[in-house]
Amino acid sequence: SQQGEEDPQALSIQEGENATMNCSYKTSINNLQWYRQNSGRGLVHLILIRSNEREKHSGRLRVTLDTSKKSSSLLITASRAADTASYFCATDANFGNEKLTFGTGTRLTIIP
Amino acid sequence: EAGVAQSPRYKIIEKRQSVAFWCNPISGHATLYWYQQILGQGPKLLIQFQNNGVVDDSQLPKDRFSAERLKGVDSTLKIQPAKLEDSAVYLCASSSLGLANEQYFGPGTRLTVT
Repeated sequence: SQQGEEDPQALSIQEGENATMNCSYKTSINNLQWYRQNSGRGLVHLILIRSNEREKHSGRLRVTLDTSKKSSSLLITASRAADTASYFCATDANFGNEKLTFGTGTRLTIIP
Repeated sequence: EAGVAQSPRYKIIEKRQSVAFWCNPISGHATLYWYQQILGQGPKLLIQFQNNGVVDDSQLPKDRFSAERLKGVDSTLKIQPAKLEDSAVYLCASSSLGLANEQYFGPGTRLTVT
């Protein structure tokens, strides 16, 4: 079963704008990760935020985590055409085996 | 460093036939995962190995799916016999112990069952 649900399912923005996508999950977690998947490719790890962290930055990416609301957001600033991809959140739910459970994904399209 | 290798990249078979996928993880990565990704959905874990032992296979349809990682390095995933609903991308990933489970994915094998 899917642990996370991304919102929105699809998002189209103009190049240069910021893109925000959200992830909600159901159980307590060790950490939450965001992955990108370009069409026809495998997933690429973007950023990991631990359960005791509230915000993390990596280049043009900003991730927030609210464990009280069981939600996370991924912000991509100054979007580029190359950011067009699907974005998935994945939770490590503290079962002791480091198993990740992926959400349903947000399909992001950057319009040049 | 070389990434996770998978083969074949594409496979088309008829239902009730058998198919096998191969994965070679990043050198030194103890943990290996097989995922099934149906079109429009996120990856679903089928099986997780740590070295050559199974950690989690709770979502593996064991009546038709099998996987092995005999020497704790590369792995094969087999489907026998295939069903139409097995059409999906099969992703292999690996991770190194102690790195908070950041996973590295291969390009996947796209399976079409007709």
